[in-house]
Amino acid sequence: ILNVEQSPQSLHVQEGDSTNFTCSFPSSNFYALHWYRWETAKSPEALFVMTLNGDEKKKGRISATLNTKEGYSYLYIKGSQPEDSATYLCAWGTYKYIFGTGTRLKVLA
Amino acid sequence: GAGVSQTPSNKVTEKGKYVELRCDPISGHTALYWYRQSLGQGPEFLIYFQGTGAADDSGLPNDRFFAVRPEGSVSTLKIQRTERGDSAVYLCASSDFQGATQYFGPGTRLTVL
Repeated sequence: ILNVEQSPQSLHVQEGDSTNFTCSFPSSNFYALHWYRWETAKSPEALFVMTLNGDEKKKGRISATLNTKEGYSYLYIKGSQPEDSATYLCAWGTYKYIFGTGTRLKVLA
Repeated sequence: GAGVSQTPSNKVTEKGKYVELRCDPISGHTALYWYRQSLGQGPEFLIYFQGTGAADDSGLPNDRFFAVRPEGSVSTLKIQRTERGDSAVYLCASSDFQGATQYFGPGTRLTVL
């Protein structure tokens, strides 16, 4: 059974703190790893698609890295803001995404 | 441009009833996907359409679930004889081809009483 795991399950940080969380996925037959941000009552928003080992992507204060050989990706948020509060999901696969259960981030003002 | 839209946003029904959930993909996207997120879980794949045809329906849990996309655009997920265990958020996504990044709608929250 192919499994994608995310940790931690939830996280509370103070405004201005930097934080990071992990997505672990099967290292065999790797195709792509996607990160999404999902705010309550909104659509999940695509953040990054990562395909190559060693990939590093950045979007504003958010960045992600990828290690396909060991099967993990990290998502970093620098200087967290209250508007970063959301659930962050990673998804592995081609068209049939296998999602992790998400990391729920709450940034306290 | 307009994103993926889903209607209704919330649906409450009684056990045993029939429901239809609608998805309007991004214009021009040929690939459409349905996922279901149960409480405490990540979204789980249900079905993938390429154009009008269901290219992979391996995630549909049983024969009470059926989906159509008759004109290759709007899709409807149909659930017969709903059960309490069907309560979940049903997400729809589209992409411009298979394997491209999927863009999600806001979901339909289905509650079966």
